[in-house]
Amino acid sequence: DSGVTQTPKHLITATGQRVTLRCSPRSGDLSVYWYQQSLDQGLQFLIQYYNGEERAKGNILERFSAQQFPDLHSELNLSSLELGDSALYFCASSPETASYGYTFGSGTRLTVV
Amino acid sequence: AQKITQTQPGMFVQEKEAVTLDCTYDTSDPSYGLFWYKQPSSGEMIFLIYQGSYDQQNATEGRYSLNFQKARKSANLVISASQLGDSAMYFCAMREGHSNYQLIWGAGTKLIIKP
Repeated sequence: DSGVTQTPKHLITATGQRVTLRCSPRSGDLSVYWYQQSLDQGLQFLIQYYNGEERAKGNILERFSAQQFPDLHSELNLSSLELGDSALYFCASSPETASYGYTFGSGTRLTVV
Repeated sequence: AQKITQTQPGMFVQEKEAVTLDCTYDTSDPSYGLFWYKQPSSGEMIFLIYQGSYDQQNATEGRYSLNFQKARKSANLVISASQLGDSAMYFCAMREGHSNYQLIWGAGTKLIIKP
């Protein structure tokens, strides 16, 4: 157990729908990162939050949004889902910056049908 | 241009042999960090080893060592005495000093250990 908890582990939904992925960071970690891993694009950084504030944005679609709550858990919202959004979505956390890398959660596998 | 290159899409290695997974990187930032992660078929991403650009010695963690050749911009992962449980995808990643949040990832190498 890495200490980073992601729920749900698996999600199957239809095109056009909206889903929410949840992440609880490792105790003491203030930064949360979201990554998408797909077969064609590999690992792509989506967004980072630090202590409730958005810190950095990567290749995140406008249909996707995220937030980090006062208790430091984070949610990634994916809307108007398309078949191409099917991927493994990782949450990772670190104490402040990614200086020494992240601790990853086990991921949420999203399948859009 | 690719910042992290892993030239071996797949490798087969006999159990108990040592294996080297290649990684080259490209950066003009003098401060950077290099990472290796393991992703088994179950999907989780497991941190293996870290090397900072100013570290004088090659990093080691148990059976894992990082062969850091700074002039060649190479950061190969060496796994000694491979085990069946080492079968997984292995990813090399880099953090550049000016970007303290994002890791840049290679495409990965699929390692299969044969009994």
